[in-house]
Amino acid sequence: DVVMTQTPLSSPVTLGQPASISCRSSQSLVHSDGYTYLSWLQQRPGQPPRLLIYQISNRLSGVPDRFSGSGAGTDFTLKISRVEAEDVGIYYCMQATQFPRTFGQGTRVDIK
Amino acid sequence: QVQLQESGPGLVKPSETLSLTCTVSGDSVSRSAYHWSWIRQPPGKGLEWIGYIHNSGSTNSNPSLKSRVTISVDTSNHQFSLKLSSVTAADTAIYYCAGGIWDWYLELWGRGTLVTVSS
Repeated sequence: DVVMTQTPLSSPVTLGQPASISCRSSQSLVHSDGYTYLSWLQQRPGQPPRLLIYQISNRLSGVPDRFSGSGAGTDFTLKISRVEAEDVGIYYCMQATQFPRTFGQGTRVDIK
Repeated sequence: QVQLQESGPGLVKPSETLSLTCTVSGDSVSRSAYHWSWIRQPPGKGLEWIGYIHNSGSTNSNPSLKSRVTISVDTSNHQFSLKLSSVTAADTAIYYCAGGIWDWYLELWGRGTLVTVSS
Protein backbone atom coordinates (compact mmCIF):
# COMPACT_ATOMS: atom_id res chain seq x y z
CA ASP A 1 0.00 0.00 0.00
CA VAL A 2 1.06 3.61 -0.55
CA VAL A 3 1.84 5.18 2.82
CA MET A 4 0.88 8.83 3.20
CA THR A 5 2.76 10.80 5.84
CA GLN A 6 1.59 14.23 6.93
CA THR A 7 3.51 16.88 8.84
CA PRO A 8 2.90 18.49 11.18
CA LEU A 9 0.26 16.49 13.01
CA SER A 10 -0.88 19.62 14.80
CA SER A 11 -0.75 23.23 13.67
CA PRO A 12 -1.88 26.03 15.98
CA VAL A 13 -2.33 29.16 13.90
CA THR A 14 -3.17 32.78 14.61
CA LEU A 15 -6.28 34.04 12.83
CA GLY A 16 -5.35 35.74 9.60
CA GLN A 17 -1.99 34.03 9.41
CA PRO A 18 -1.01 31.34 6.88
CA ALA A 19 -0.90 27.62 7.51
CA SER A 20 0.89 24.92 5.57
CA ILE A 21 0.53 21.13 5.67
CA SER A 22 2.90 18.72 4.03
CA CYS A 23 2.01 15.28 2.68
CA ARG A 24 4.58 12.80 1.47
CA SER A 25 3.83 9.51 -0.27
CA SER A 26 5.96 6.36 -0.10
CA GLN A 27 5.76 6.03 -3.89
CA SER A 28 5.30 8.42 -6.79
CA LEU A 29 1.66 9.32 -7.26
CA VAL A 30 2.01 9.91 -11.00
CA HIS A 31 -0.42 7.52 -12.65
CA SER A 32 0.28 5.80 -15.97
CA ASP A 33 -2.30 8.15 -17.50
CA GLY A 34 -0.09 11.10 -16.57
CA TYR A 35 -2.34 12.48 -13.87
CA THR A 36 -1.50 12.66 -10.17
CA TYR A 37 -4.36 11.62 -7.94
CA LEU A 38 -3.67 13.50 -4.74
CA SER A 39 -6.60 15.05 -2.92
CA TRP A 40 -7.08 17.10 0.24
CA LEU A 41 -10.07 16.76 2.53
CA GLN A 42 -11.20 18.88 5.46
CA GLN A 43 -13.06 17.48 8.46
CA ARG A 44 -14.58 20.08 10.73
CA PRO A 45 -15.43 18.99 14.29
CA GLY A 46 -18.42 16.67 14.37
CA GLN A 47 -18.82 16.67 10.61
CA PRO A 48 -18.04 14.28 7.76
CA PRO A 49 -15.00 14.95 5.61
CA ARG A 50 -15.33 17.39 2.74
CA LEU A 51 -13.32 17.25 -0.48
CA LEU A 52 -11.41 20.51 -0.96
CA ILE A 53 -8.82 19.84 -3.66
CA TYR A 54 -8.23 17.06 -6.19
CA GLN A 55 -5.41 16.23 -8.58
CA ILE A 56 -2.95 18.26 -6.50
CA SER A 57 -4.31 21.73 -7.08
CA ASN A 58 -7.89 21.77 -8.38
CA ARG A 59 -10.35 23.33 -5.95
CA LEU A 60 -13.91 22.08 -5.85
CA SER A 61 -16.59 24.62 -6.64
CA GLY A 62 -17.34 26.66 -3.54
CA VAL A 63 -13.97 26.12 -1.86
CA PRO A 64 -12.46 29.50 -0.91
CA ASP A 65 -9.42 30.53 -2.88
CA ARG A 66 -7.39 30.93 0.30
CA PHE A 67 -6.93 27.15 -0.01
CA SER A 68 -4.31 26.06 -2.51
CA GLY A 69 -2.53 22.82 -3.29
CA SER A 70 0.82 22.21 -4.88
CA GLY A 71 3.49 19.58 -5.33
CA ALA A 72 4.54 16.73 -7.57
CA GLY A 73 5.72 13.13 -7.46
CA THR A 74 5.85 12.27 -3.77
CA ASP A 75 5.72 15.67 -2.06
CA PHE A 76 2.61 17.79 -1.74
CA THR A 77 1.48 20.81 0.22
CA LEU A 78 -1.82 22.34 1.25
CA LYS A 79 -1.68 26.04 2.09
CA ILE A 80 -4.24 28.26 3.72
CA SER A 81 -3.25 31.83 2.94
CA ARG A 82 -5.12 33.44 5.84
CA VAL A 83 -6.68 31.13 8.40
CA GLU A 84 -10.26 31.87 9.41
CA ALA A 85 -12.17 30.46 12.37
CA GLU A 86 -14.19 28.16 10.09
CA ASP A 87 -10.96 26.47 8.94
CA VAL A 88 -10.52 24.72 12.29
CA GLY A 89 -10.51 20.98 11.83
CA ILE A 90 -8.45 18.05 10.63
CA TYR A 91 -7.02 17.95 7.13
CA TYR A 92 -6.26 14.72 5.31
CA CYS A 93 -4.39 14.01 2.12
CA MET A 94 -5.54 11.03 0.10
CA GLN A 95 -3.94 9.22 -2.80
CA ALA A 96 -6.00 7.55 -5.51
CA THR A 97 -3.23 6.60 -7.92
CA GLN A 98 -3.13 3.06 -6.60
CA PHE A 99 -5.50 0.67 -4.89
CA PRO A 100 -6.21 0.61 -2.05
CA ARG A 101 -6.86 4.32 -1.70
CA THR A 102 -4.97 5.55 1.38
CA PHE A 103 -5.09 8.60 3.61
CA GLY A 104 -2.56 10.51 5.64
CA GLN A 105 -2.90 10.45 9.43
CA GLY A 106 -4.47 13.88 9.47
CA THR A 107 -3.25 17.32 10.57
CA ARG A 108 -5.20 19.20 13.20
CA VAL A 109 -5.48 22.95 12.56
CA ASP A 110 -6.67 25.06 15.46
CA ILE A 111 -6.49 28.65 16.57
CA LYS A 112 -3.83 29.84 18.99
CA GLN B 1 -29.11 18.85 -4.25
CA VAL B 2 -27.96 15.26 -3.79
CA GLN B 3 -27.90 13.96 -0.22
CA LEU B 4 -26.59 10.69 1.19
CA GLN B 5 -27.85 9.06 4.39
CA GLU B 6 -26.45 5.98 6.09
CA SER B 7 -28.71 3.61 7.99
CA GLY B 8 -28.30 0.35 9.87
CA PRO B 9 -27.79 -1.14 13.33
CA GLY B 10 -25.62 0.84 15.70
CA LEU B 11 -24.58 -2.28 17.62
CA VAL B 12 -23.32 -5.55 16.15
CA LYS B 13 -22.12 -8.61 18.04
CA PRO B 14 -18.63 -10.00 17.44
CA SER B 15 -18.45 -12.59 14.62
CA GLU B 16 -21.71 -11.32 13.11
CA THR B 17 -22.21 -9.32 9.90
CA LEU B 18 -22.38 -5.55 9.83
CA SER B 19 -24.93 -4.30 7.28
CA LEU B 20 -25.34 -0.68 6.27
CA THR B 21 -27.33 1.05 3.58
CA CYS B 22 -26.77 4.44 2.01
CA THR B 23 -29.83 6.13 0.53
CA VAL B 24 -29.30 8.69 -2.20
CA SER B 25 -31.92 11.39 -2.40
CA GLY B 26 -32.25 14.27 -4.78
CA ASP B 27 -30.85 12.25 -7.64
CA SER B 28 -30.94 8.72 -8.93
CA VAL B 29 -28.32 6.27 -7.85
CA SER B 30 -28.57 4.90 -11.35
CA ARG B 31 -26.61 7.81 -12.82
CA SER B 32 -24.31 5.87 -15.01
CA ALA B 33 -21.03 7.61 -14.26
CA TYR B 34 -21.25 7.64 -10.46
CA HIS B 35 -19.07 5.68 -8.08
CA TRP B 36 -20.34 4.98 -4.57
CA SER B 37 -17.87 4.47 -1.75
CA TRP B 38 -17.63 3.43 1.87
CA ILE B 39 -15.04 4.93 4.22
CA ARG B 40 -14.73 4.40 7.95
CA GLN B 41 -13.19 6.22 10.88
CA PRO B 42 -12.53 4.58 14.27
CA PRO B 43 -13.48 6.98 17.06
CA GLY B 44 -10.83 9.66 17.41
CA LYS B 45 -8.73 8.21 14.58
CA GLY B 46 -8.12 8.69 10.87
CA LEU B 47 -9.89 7.61 7.70
CA GLU B 48 -9.79 4.17 6.11
CA TRP B 49 -11.00 3.43 2.60
CA ILE B 50 -13.25 0.37 2.49
CA GLY B 51 -14.20 0.21 -1.17
CA TYR B 52 -16.54 1.36 -3.91
CA ILE B 53 -19.06 0.20 -6.45
CA HIS B 54 -19.76 1.70 -9.85
CA ASN B 55 -23.23 1.74 -11.30
CA SER B 56 -22.00 -0.77 -13.85
CA GLY B 57 -21.55 -3.17 -10.96
CA SER B 58 -17.76 -3.10 -10.88
CA THR B 59 -16.30 -2.96 -7.39
CA ASN B 60 -13.00 -2.64 -5.61
CA SER B 61 -12.27 -3.03 -1.93
CA ASN B 62 -9.43 -2.82 0.54
CA PRO B 63 -7.38 -6.02 0.70
CA SER B 64 -6.85 -5.35 4.42
CA LEU B 65 -10.46 -6.33 4.90
CA LYS B 66 -9.76 -9.48 2.91
CA SER B 67 -12.89 -11.20 1.69
CA ARG B 68 -15.15 -9.82 4.44
CA VAL B 69 -16.49 -6.91 2.38
CA THR B 70 -19.44 -6.94 0.00
CA ILE B 71 -20.64 -3.74 -1.65
CA SER B 72 -23.78 -3.73 -3.74
CA VAL B 73 -26.08 -1.24 -5.43
CA ASP B 74 -29.87 -1.21 -5.72
CA THR B 75 -30.69 1.35 -8.36
CA SER B 76 -34.45 0.79 -8.12
CA ASN B 77 -34.43 1.91 -4.47
CA HIS B 78 -31.73 4.56 -4.90
CA GLN B 79 -29.46 2.78 -2.42
CA PHE B 80 -26.11 1.12 -2.12
CA SER B 81 -25.01 -1.17 0.68
CA LEU B 82 -22.07 -2.47 2.68
CA LYS B 83 -21.78 -5.85 4.35
CA LEU B 84 -18.79 -6.64 6.53
CA SER B 85 -18.70 -10.17 7.90
CA SER B 86 -17.02 -11.69 10.96
CA VAL B 87 -16.69 -8.36 12.73
CA THR B 88 -14.50 -7.75 15.76
CA ALA B 89 -14.04 -4.78 18.09
CA ALA B 90 -11.51 -3.42 15.59
CA ASP B 91 -14.41 -2.77 13.19
CA THR B 92 -15.98 -0.28 15.60
CA ALA B 93 -16.05 2.98 13.67
CA ILE B 94 -18.08 5.76 12.12
CA TYR B 95 -19.02 4.49 8.67
CA TYR B 96 -19.45 7.05 5.91
CA CYS B 97 -20.93 6.60 2.48
CA ALA B 98 -19.63 8.88 -0.22
CA GLY B 99 -20.00 9.38 -3.95
CA GLY B 100 -18.72 11.10 -7.04
CA ILE B 101 -18.21 10.87 -10.74
CA TRP B 102 -14.95 9.03 -10.11
CA ASP B 103 -14.29 6.80 -7.11
CA TRP B 104 -11.68 9.24 -5.81
CA TYR B 105 -13.81 12.34 -6.45
CA LEU B 106 -15.53 12.17 -3.09
CA GLU B 107 -17.74 15.23 -3.50
CA LEU B 108 -20.79 13.78 -1.74
CA TRP B 109 -20.78 12.48 1.83
CA GLY B 110 -23.31 11.12 4.26
CA ARG B 111 -23.21 12.33 7.86
CA GLY B 112 -21.84 8.99 9.01
CA THR B 113 -23.18 6.34 11.35
CA LEU B 114 -21.42 4.91 14.39
CA VAL B 115 -21.29 1.14 14.51
CA THR B 116 -20.08 -0.46 17.72
CA VAL B 117 -19.04 -4.10 17.82
CA SER B 118 -19.70 -5.49 21.26
CA SER B 119 -21.42 -8.40 22.93
